[in-house]
Amino acid sequence: DAKTTQPPSMDCAEGRAANLPCNHSTISGNEYVYWYRQIHSQGPQYIIHGLKNNETNEMASLIITEDRKSSTLILPHATLRDTAVYYCIALFQGAQKLVFGQGTRLTINP
Amino acid sequence: DGGITQSPKYLFRKEGQNVTLSCEQNLNHDAMYWYRQDPGQGLRLIYYSQIVNDFQKGDIAEGYSVSREKKESFPLTVTSAQKNPTAFYLCASRPGTLHNEQFFGPGTRLTVL
Repeated sequence: DAKTTQPPSMDCAEGRAANLPCNHSTISGNEYVYWYRQIHSQGPQYIIHGLKNNETNEMASLIITEDRKSSTLILPHATLRDTAVYYCIALFQGAQKLVFGQGTRLTINP
Repeated sequence: DGGITQSPKYLFRKEGQNVTLSCEQNLNHDAMYWYRQDPGQGLRLIYYSQIVNDFQKGDIAEGYSVSREKKESFPLTVTSAQKNPTAFYLCASRPGTLHNEQFFGPGTRLTVL
């Protein structure tokens, strides 16, 4: 599975869009990009995933660059409850193992 | 109400004692997983099971054991051989082999005194 690189921490004002970047320059053509988040002392929560097209669901949007070397998770209107560690993972469909790196600690400020 | 339950949320044990962490799911998922998380770190895979009566070691299986006698249950035993057992333990399940979305339980925080 491709290695991903994320900034260790970010801040965002409540009500603004939070844009979380992820670099995955060695991703292969059939590896998906998955995003999870973990609120303090809870289990991780699946957010969204994509292959090459942009994706949107009720939680977030995922923008993947045309060369697929990077992606951005967008929380359109961040709330205080979005404060969490966000993990970007690249892996093959059906892969058994999720490899969680350090992620990005996102703090939403009032 | 479907989901994954782990019990207890907090667990204290004396050094040298084995302890078993419970994980139950009523999602009818085939695959189940155990992860360990240390403070400020990402998750590390201990064991996983794709089907009843079968399981595989993850990256840090030493000092742990599991069983998968029923589809809905995947208990983890932390043995006295585990050198640093104090950690946050997370159980997860996945619908099937074509899906990568894993659903996580609330976790058990184990402290060995």
